[in-house]
Amino acid sequence: DQQVKQNSPSLSVQEGRISILNCDYTNSMFDYFLWYKKYPAEGPTFLISISSIKDKNEDGRFTVFLNKSAKHLSLHIVPSQPGDSAVYFCAASEETSGSRLTFGEGTQLTVNP
Amino acid sequence: DTAVSQTPKYLVTQMGNDKSIKCEQNLGHDTMYWYKQDSKKFLKIMFSYNNKELIINETVPNRFSPKSPDKAHLNLHINSLELGDSAVYFCASSQALGNEQFFGPGTRLTVL
Repeated sequence: DQQVKQNSPSLSVQEGRISILNCDYTNSMFDYFLWYKKYPAEGPTFLISISSIKDKNEDGRFTVFLNKSAKHLSLHIVPSQPGDSAVYFCAASEETSGSRLTFGEGTQLTVNP
Repeated sequence: DTAVSQTPKYLVTQMGNDKSIKCEQNLGHDTMYWYKQDSKKFLKIMFSYNNKELIINETVPNRFSPKSPDKAHLNLHINSLELGDSAVYFCASSQALGNEQFFGPGTRLTVL
């Protein structure tokens, strides 16, 4: 019962273009969503988050969009840089569960120079 | 000045052995976690401690026992290791019940 799904295992984009990573969830109780970035042989690093009371959060080149009715969120990276090449994990939590995060299976982003 | 550190980074051992993985955070966080990343790359929470008290205990075999001697440390002890325990184990920490978790570099456990 995978409550958070990232259906694209990989994505390849050209440097300077936009990268769009998608995430779907099934648990309507989720009210906080996060994106993590992971390089090989390192732990995940927090990137950006969004609360369910918002539909957009922006931080520099990174923007997260939340569509609650569709139970869908996306991470936009623009412009993409080769250093952005990593695995991106979507995660979600519900307030009543405290700090339990449910992760998606990750999307490998490759940004080609 | 590593924020969340784990030792060892790699651990290779035989079935049936008992092993421990250590985790330390110097962020002053109240909550610490253990996650398991299996061969399918899913990150799944195993345990969470807040102020040295267990607050999350997922369906994990009782061969796995977390121990928190103080707020800055959360160690994971595994008894009678099995082949299926092979995975990467990540420690993480956050402010008390906060959602932004900071992860350690992971410990790759291989059981032969």
